[in-house]
Amino acid sequence: EIVLTQSPATLSLSPGERATLSCRASQSLNIYLAWYQQKPGQAPRLLMYDASNRATGIPARFSGSGSGADFTLTISSLEPEDFAVYYCHQRSAWPITFGQGTRLEIK
Amino acid sequence: QVQLVESGGGVVQPGRSLRLSCVVSGFRFDTYGMHWVRQAPGKGLEWVAVIWYDRSRTFYADSVRGRFTISRDNSKNTLYLHMNSLRVEDTALYYCARDSLMATRRPGYFDNWGQGTLVTVSS
Repeated sequence: EIVLTQSPATLSLSPGERATLSCRASQSLNIYLAWYQQKPGQAPRLLMYDASNRATGIPARFSGSGSGADFTLTISSLEPEDFAVYYCHQRSAWPITFGQGTRLEIK
Repeated sequence: QVQLVESGGGVVQPGRSLRLSCVVSGFRFDTYGMHWVRQAPGKGLEWVAVIWYDRSRTFYADSVRGRFTISRDNSKNTLYLHMNSLRVEDTALYYCARDSLMATRRPGYFDNWGQGTLVTVSS
């Protein structure tokens, strides 16, 4: 099973700041990684797929990078609605797995 | 627009069974793979199972293999999860999610989600 390790577990920032979230895989994923955002009481929402492609309707302040085993989600300038939990997910190998999540909180 | 609506959750004793349903609308159900993903209270996401668009194959997480069965009725636009021998650790919010890839037999991403149905396993 591919293990996805997200860091940090919690990130405390202020609106307007830049957020950098990391997802490291226990083996190479090629580019087969996605990012999701989940707000309290809501289902997750797909943000990025295949490491660097924004999903439909996702603002340009969100960007993804990486390949192989190291991936990054960047939010260039935080808006109040961006404070949430973020998960990475790999589809490179069975079983499908998620990272444990990074909580992005308001400082 | 795309909609996925889960139902069938509830409180059940350990060892008992439950069937979840997910009715979809707004897209051609029979051209997309479908997944179940669960989230224990206060915890992260765990993928449970997938069924290909044409029902040709299913895959399961190790934690549920042999106890859970995913199925679909393309004529009713409905996805199912039959859960047997339920355990306390199966307590979670169960989401159905659409696979992002159309008419393929490999996993994509989860591009549309329902709001989930809560399963509580407790004596």
